[in-house]
Amino acid sequence: AQSVTQLDSHVSVSEGTPVLLRCNYSSSYSPSLFWYVQHPNKGLQLLLKYTSAATLVKGINGFEAEFKKSETSFHLTKPSAHMSDAAEYFCVVRDGYGGATNKLIFGTGTLLAVQP
Amino acid sequence: GAVVSQHPSRVICKSGTSVKIECRSLDFQATTMFWYRQFPKQSLMLMATSNEGSKATYEQGVEKDKFLINHASLTLSTLTVTSAHPEDSSFYICSALAGVMIDTQYFGPGTRLTVL
Repeated sequence: AQSVTQLDSHVSVSEGTPVLLRCNYSSSYSPSLFWYVQHPNKGLQLLLKYTSAATLVKGINGFEAEFKKSETSFHLTKPSAHMSDAAEYFCVVRDGYGGATNKLIFGTGTLLAVQP
Repeated sequence: GAVVSQHPSRVICKSGTSVKIECRSLDFQATTMFWYRQFPKQSLMLMATSNEGSKATYEQGVEKDKFLINHASLTLSTLTVTSAHPEDSSFYICSALAGVMIDTQYFGPGTRLTVL
């Protein structure tokens, strides 16, 4: 079975400093991995996705993530945090081998706080 | 593009009543829709997958007679919580796929259900 583990439930950074949100995955296949962001009272928004192409994936709002098979990691980073980045972030793996209709398995989320 | 709406955003009902939640894809046709449940400070758990015109596929442990799903058109899926009880209080989120070759799920903003 596939799963993801988000290593930090809360992360707090100062505005303008780098962001690192950690995610490790477990998969029997070459996984499809995603990062979603959830702002209060808004729907989840896709930040980026990895589907076996380039290992360094660039997403929206300056975020990027690197797929490291040897470390089974897919950490999310951003060079400089902005106040608007404060939100809940979910690392997600898609179950099964390929198939867009296969279900998504969510991590437990990391709440990012950005201090002025 | 790729906007998914949910209605209502919040609902409060008495124990024993039924509540219907709508999920609409506003600018695309959704071949597959998903319903998730999110408990406070927890991750999203998939409840069921529905394809237009066919019966929904429920995840293990989800009561299909309690959570009725209807995907009658390519732009609308409904979730009816029947005979709601306080333990059904939760945040319900839907998502939609534009097609099996488009592997991104677009999420609605969610519906907060409170059962008194």
